[in-house]
Amino acid sequence: DAKTTQPNSMESNEEEPVHLPCNHSTISGTDYIHWYRQLPSQGPEYVIHGLTSNVNNRMASLAIAEDRKSSTLILHRATLRDAAVYYCIRHSNYQLIWGAGTKLIIKP
Amino acid sequence: GAGVSQSPSNKVTEKGKDVELRCDPISGHTALYWYRQSLGQGLEFLIYFQGNSAPDKSGLPSDRFSAERTGGSVSTLTIQRTQQEDSAVYLCASSLGQKDTQYFGPGTRLTVL
Repeated sequence: DAKTTQPNSMESNEEEPVHLPCNHSTISGTDYIHWYRQLPSQGPEYVIHGLTSNVNNRMASLAIAEDRKSSTLILHRATLRDAAVYYCIRHSNYQLIWGAGTKLIIKP
Repeated sequence: GAGVSQSPSNKVTEKGKDVELRCDPISGHTALYWYRQSLGQGLEFLIYFQGNSAPDKSGLPSDRFSAERTGGSVSTLTIQRTQQEDSAVYLCASSLGQKDTQYFGPGTRLTVL
């Protein structure tokens, strides 16, 4: 059950878009791709999820590659409050399989 | 409350003591999960409950770890004879059903001296 792989950290300027990449080359056909984020000293917070099609919600957009081996979380206009660790996760049946996440740093 | 709650928020114990961690899921959520997070790491799955039964206990690190859920609601994670390597944040999550979005509590930070 291979975990997802993400960059350890990324920096972005406030009010600019952020693209957070994730590789999940061994994902099975029925596994959903979930994204959660975690602020310091808090539990993870759900961001978005998808299976094959691109998804949009009030927090972010999720672009999934056609072969499903990678995906990108898009924050359209980052704010200081978006600074967190972002986890790309395989949702296999009931289990969330977590990688190490990307620490997103937002520069004012 | 509206969200998942956990208690205590912090627990410091001595090596060899037993500890109990509590999770109150969102009302009406049938699925409940326990995870462990070591410093700077992603979450490690421990156990999953559907109602009061635990179909998957495969993530429990050793037989010192056990969990139960009563009344389809509150769950308790018990660690017996704690060791220093048990120090971590223990997170609980609940969801409506097993394939639904999981909502997390704030966690219990366990420190074993």
